[in-house]
Amino acid sequence: SQQGEEDPQALSIQEGENATMNCSYKTSINNLQWYRQNSGRGLVHLILIRSNEREKHSGRLRVTLDTSKKSSSLLITASRAADTASYFCATQFYSGYSTLTFGKGTMLLVSP
Amino acid sequence: DTEVTQTPKHLVMGMTNKKSLKCEQHMGHRAMYWYKQKAKKPPELMFVYSYEKLSINESVPSRFSPECPNSSLLNLHLHALQPEDSALYLCASSRPSSEQFFGPGTRLTVL
Repeated sequence: SQQGEEDPQALSIQEGENATMNCSYKTSINNLQWYRQNSGRGLVHLILIRSNEREKHSGRLRVTLDTSKKSSSLLITASRAADTASYFCATQFYSGYSTLTFGKGTMLLVSP
Repeated sequence: DTEVTQTPKHLVMGMTNKKSLKCEQHMGHRAMYWYKQKAKKPPELMFVYSYEKLSINESVPSRFSPECPNSSLLNLHLHALQPEDSALYLCASSRPSSEQFFGPGTRLTVL
């Protein structure tokens, strides 16, 4: 069953602007991950943040995690048309084997 | 090699056909997964294999039959599917408690 809720469901911005997506979840996690999916093809892993971390950076990506509020945010700075995709958060809990539970996703459209 | 490959890319089958989807990885990952994804929805977990043993079956109908012949290969055998089974089927692999690497998927259409 889906655990995450993402907000907004769709986001339309201009190139060069920043894009912020939020994710909320309901149960305990080991880590939270963000994935990108272009045009209904395979998902690409962007960044993983562990439950004991509060912020992580990777290139133009910044992820925050607030375990007390069970929420995370993904910030893409200086967006490009190539960033147009669907973005999913996924929570992971490990108990002998790991499974991901995906949020509903945010569709990001970056216009030139 | 950090790639997960899936074949075929597209598959059209009738409701009486038997077909198989194939997935392969050479990253030494001992966990492999099948997901089903409908249009504009997130992926939904179907099966998890850990060390070639089926660990999770998310109440998937028996017309879907997974198989893990070895640590690099994962198959999904399809039989007597319904039109509502049309979807993108994604395979993934991972180390424990780490990110998953996804294949490009098989776009399945059931007529």
